[in-house]
Amino acid sequence: DTEVTQTPKHLVMGMTNKKSLKCEQHMGHRAMYWYKQKAKKPPELMFVYSYEKLSINESVPSRFSPECPNSSLLNLHLHALQPEDSALYLCASSQGGPDRDVGKLFFGSGTQLSVL
Amino acid sequence: GQNIDQPTEMTATEGAIVQINCTYQTSGFNGLFWYQQHAGEAPTFLSYNVLDGLEEKGRFSSFLSRSKGYSYLLLKELQMKDSASYLCAVRDSNYQLIWGAGTKLIIKP
Repeated sequence: DTEVTQTPKHLVMGMTNKKSLKCEQHMGHRAMYWYKQKAKKPPELMFVYSYEKLSINESVPSRFSPECPNSSLLNLHLHALQPEDSALYLCASSQGGPDRDVGKLFFGSGTQLSVL
Repeated sequence: GQNIDQPTEMTATEGAIVQINCTYQTSGFNGLFWYQQHAGEAPTFLSYNVLDGLEEKGRFSSFLSRSKGYSYLLLKELQMKDSASYLCAVRDSNYQLIWGAGTKLIIKP
């Protein structure tokens, strides 16, 4: 299994809603990432979990809350988002910790989020 | 500051060869990566260079010159399905990935 699975593929939410994005991998990878990507822009790193611990938080607003229940799962909880948060949210994993294997990332297909 | 430059857009003909260049200025260097991203889809890993020289993988090759801060991705025998954005990314001394803005490649019949 060489896949990173993300759900849902599309999400439309209002600014007062609470929703969660889910990501799963069964490759035994020990680092998992959340990226945000706007159209025609490169991915922007949001969070990195290494061995189930949050190792990087790129100054992301608190309305985004990551969670890593175990080494295979990664969630991103969304609350009180703004329209400018509309983007493609990508989950990725890499084999080792970010200081060793970051770069060769396996991406999920992403969640296209629209905030109304 | 850290900077990666790639052309914004390139056009090539089916069956031809195209070279996409990437120049970088980063705080240290721990490898350079090329990713392919079709519109609305996730990036997929293409190649990795950490030493100078050419890495060949089928129709795709990637070259690195660390002294020049330069890489290119070479695509041969272009197919319509190669129409995509190609992202160059450099891992810096802190093992952070710095991404270029990507090159949109348009293949014409």
